[in-house]
Amino acid sequence: GESVGLHLPTLSVQEGDNSIINCAYSNSASDYFIWYKQESGKGPQFIIDIRSNMDKRQGQRVTVLLNKTVKHLSLQIAATQPGDSAVYFCAESLMEYGNKLVFGAGTILRVKS
Amino acid sequence: DVKVTQSSRYLVKRTGEKVFLECVQDMDHENMFWYRQDPGLGLRLIYFSYDVKMKEKGDIPEGYSVSREKKERFSLILESASTNQTSMYLCASLTRGGSEKLFFGSGTQLSVL
Repeated sequence: GESVGLHLPTLSVQEGDNSIINCAYSNSASDYFIWYKQESGKGPQFIIDIRSNMDKRQGQRVTVLLNKTVKHLSLQIAATQPGDSAVYFCAESLMEYGNKLVFGAGTILRVKS
Repeated sequence: DVKVTQSSRYLVKRTGEKVFLECVQDMDHENMFWYRQDPGLGLRLIYFSYDVKMKEKGDIPEGYSVSREKKERFSLILESASTNQTSMYLCASLTRGGSEKLFFGSGTQLSVL
């Protein structure tokens, strides 16, 4: 899972397996959450978002789960592919404005072929 | 597709130099942001702007200033670069209302020697 610190957690998965990346967010009042993917040499790219009135949202091969009771967010990637290798960031927000986004430190996902 | 372009991919500057980092977006977005990204610390907001000639401090504005003379361009200025400003700098833009998604540039890796 994500943590603030000098060492990024790393998740290694076999190609074709499902991946679960976890994130503990800090503010119980946060009402909007986003996952970003950052590939080497590129800026972060939006993957999926979820509002606090939902506990699950699905996209293409990705699912975000929100557990407000324990302030936990997870990103599930189905049938992980080599192109999924990247650093994944969760971010939380109190408002619908980017200036309030607070980013986690990131998790490295490595996909083994 | 939204395009956020940062003028330099890599920059090497000396301590005390004045440094300009340029960012241009092509989607007529009102809000623009500058983040710095350091290993294990995620993305931290330096400054943002919600309109031409408007600017707001983010979480770590010390040592930086910004300029927004045109809607599409947002510049980050290091008045007197220091070694602790060696970092990856990411520019982002966001459309007001509707989507809350930040669109990021590819980043500028700045090294201050």
